[in-house]
Amino acid sequence: DADVTQTPRNRITKTGKRIMLECSQTKGHDRMYWYRQDPGLGLRLIYYSFDVKDINKGEISDGYSVSRQAQAKFSLSLESAIPNQTALYFCATSDPDRVGEQYFGPGTRLTVT
Amino acid sequence: AQSVTQLDSQVPVFEEAPVELRCNYSSSVSVYLFWYVQYPNQGLQLLLKYLSGSTLVKGINGFEAEFNKSQTSFHLRKPSVHISDTAEYFCAVSDYSGGGADGLTFGKGTHLIIQP
Repeated sequence: DADVTQTPRNRITKTGKRIMLECSQTKGHDRMYWYRQDPGLGLRLIYYSFDVKDINKGEISDGYSVSRQAQAKFSLSLESAIPNQTALYFCATSDPDRVGEQYFGPGTRLTVT
Repeated sequence: AQSVTQLDSQVPVFEEAPVELRCNYSSSVSVYLFWYVQYPNQGLQLLLKYLSGSTLVKGINGFEAEFNKSQTSFHLRKPSVHISDTAEYFCAVSDYSGGGADGLTFGKGTHLIIQP
């Protein structure tokens, strides 16, 4: 079984709708991250969390919110989706004993029409 | 703050030929350096990393990279590529003092295209 899973894998939604992307991990890591990938732009950090009570904004947090329900679960929400949020979203975890190494989920492809 | 520049968005190479993917970084502090690979329809996985010590680091699948502090570069190389190396390659940095906890700063990626 995959260590980092994301649901859904694909989603099409309309402008103005609220949508939640979910991430679960079985690696036992405290640190979790959400990135978005756009063609030609690489990956950009949206939010990250060191534990349930420690959540931090990344480079591009506007228009997004997150919830860390448990050590293993980290959800990303778009309160009112807009077309320029169409992207590939990745969840990742990291182990503080392995500096900088991140373990990525398979991604969620989100299309906002 | 750090930034990463990958100069080539696409690199076409014939099978069994050598390849170099270029990465330059900018930072006011010491950094850790990484190369990640993304195969089609998959998440990213770590190829190799430089933390300290020897400036030549070896990774998985026959890849290696060399850290050059004076040129602020961390170029990725492979002496002989295979069709299976077709993928997107990302260079990334993290702040040395944070130990990478605050996430990674990625370059825009280089698409390696292997031609038979």
